Amino acid sequence: QSALTQPPSVSGSPGQSVTISCTGTGSDVGSYNRVSWYQQPPGTAPKLIIYDVSNRPSGVPDRFSGSKSGNTASLTISGLQAEDEADYYCLSYTTRSAYVFGTGTKVTVL
Amino acid sequence: QVTLKESGPALVKPTQTLTLTCTFSGFSLNTRGMRVSWIRQPPGKALEWLARIDWDGDKIYSTSLKTSLTISKDTSKNQVVLTMTNMDPADTATYYCARSNWGSYDHALDFWGQGTMVTVSS
Repeated sequence: QSALTQPPSVSGSPGQSVTISCTGTGSDVGSYNRVSWYQQPPGTAPKLIIYDVSNRPSGVPDRFSGSKSGNTASLTISGLQAEDEADYYCLSYTTRSAYVFGTGTKVTVL
Repeated sequence: QVTLKESGPALVKPTQTLTLTCTFSGFSLNTRGMRVSWIRQPPGKALEWLARIDWDGDKIYSTSLKTSLTISKDTSKNQVVLTMTNMDPADTATYYCARSNWGSYDHALDFWGQGTMVTVSS
C-alpha cells in the first residue's frame, strides 16, 4: 500500500488560509469517508484534528476544516496562527482492511 | 483520563526480534468499539501504520509488514504487545501506540502515547 500523497510544505502569513491536499486512490480515500488528519509539532506525538473527512473533535478550533472530492481529501487552516506551525498527516482506511498515512506536510507560518 | 505509554528496548541488533508494550489507562479493551494501533516514524520521515487489535480480538496488519508483525492484548493488565521479527536498521524509528474508539471518532486515532525510540544497530 503506497502512502497517500501530500505536498512536502505549505506556508502562509498569520491570518491567511492554507490548504493541504491528500491524494490517494479508489482503494482508500475514494472508497471511504474515513479520512482523519493529525497535527504534529516538532518532537511531540501526533494529535487528532479532523475525523471522518470533516468532523472536528471537541476542543479543536473551528479554524481547522476538512473536505473530500473523489480520491483527494483536503485540510484547510483558516486564520493561520503561529501555533499552527507543525507537520500535518492524513490517514485513510483502505479496502484491504488496513490504514495508510500521507507523506506529511510541513506548515510554516511566515 | 485516557493515557497510553510505550515501553521496550532502546537498542536492538539486526535480525533480533523487537517486543514493545503499550500500557494504557482510562479505557478497557473489553469495551465494545475500543481498538489499539501501533504506528512508527523513522527519524525525519512520515508516520507508518503497522497493526491494530480490537476489543473482540480481531487483528489487522500492514500488508507490507504482515509477515513480521504480531499484535496481542492482555486485558487484565491493560496492555497491548507488538512483536516484530528480523529487525533491520531501516526499522529504526519512534514507535507509537494509539487508541481508536469506534463509538466516538470511528477509525480515527484519538489518543496517542508519547512514543518510544528504537534503534537497530550492531
